[in-house]
Amino acid sequence: KAGVTQTPRYLIKTRGQQVTLSCSPISGHRSVSWYQQTPGQGLQFLFEYFSETQRNKGNFPGRFSGRQFSNSRSEMNVSTLELGDSALYLCASSFNSGAGGYEQYFGPGTRLTVT
Amino acid sequence: GDSVTQMEGPVTLSEEAFLTINCTYTATGYPSLFWYVQYPGEGLQLLLKATKADDKGSNKGFEATYRKETTSFHLEKGSVQVSDSAVYFCALSANFGNEKLTFGTGTRLTIIP
Repeated sequence: KAGVTQTPRYLIKTRGQQVTLSCSPISGHRSVSWYQQTPGQGLQFLFEYFSETQRNKGNFPGRFSGRQFSNSRSEMNVSTLELGDSALYLCASSFNSGAGGYEQYFGPGTRLTVT
Repeated sequence: GDSVTQMEGPVTLSEEAFLTINCTYTATGYPSLFWYVQYPGEGLQLLLKATKADDKGSNKGFEATYRKETTSFHLEKGSVQVSDSAVYFCALSANFGNEKLTFGTGTRLTIIP
């Protein structure tokens, strides 16, 4: 089975611009979560989508948004980029592994640099 | 709120040494606990997990036991290899159906031949 794919892998944007990142989950996985990884703040949860609905949201400003399509693919958008948005953005898809709960599988990430 | 406290790094060991990376957590209810590993330039890989007290997760020679009484989930390996060099993250998921992972700060492990 193919893993989680994220596009693009690298992105350079200028302050004030907006950006859209894409994530294709593992086939059959219906939940997609997004995380931001920075050296200073570590790994922080952005939001989670299940069946096209946002089910959970982290503590990020409204400039960060996302959506999920009927094929479970997901996008996240960041508007009015700030220097502090430079980070590795990770997408994870998950399934219910039965009595053991959920397991999240991560993509390679999109490295966003804001200049 | 939920939190994970992880042993500060970096950790440097010689090949075949014994590894312990400490992890403690704070959470309401009965969280699931995970260890993830991140190799340079890559995303996170699930290494092992445990979903209830006294469960032991194991994979690739790594083990961790869910200790509710000490709220801990320490990662151990009996004999490390150079290929184990990576950053290790302890994480928890608070409730079934709430898949938000709360991560520790990560521990960078370097194994010297």
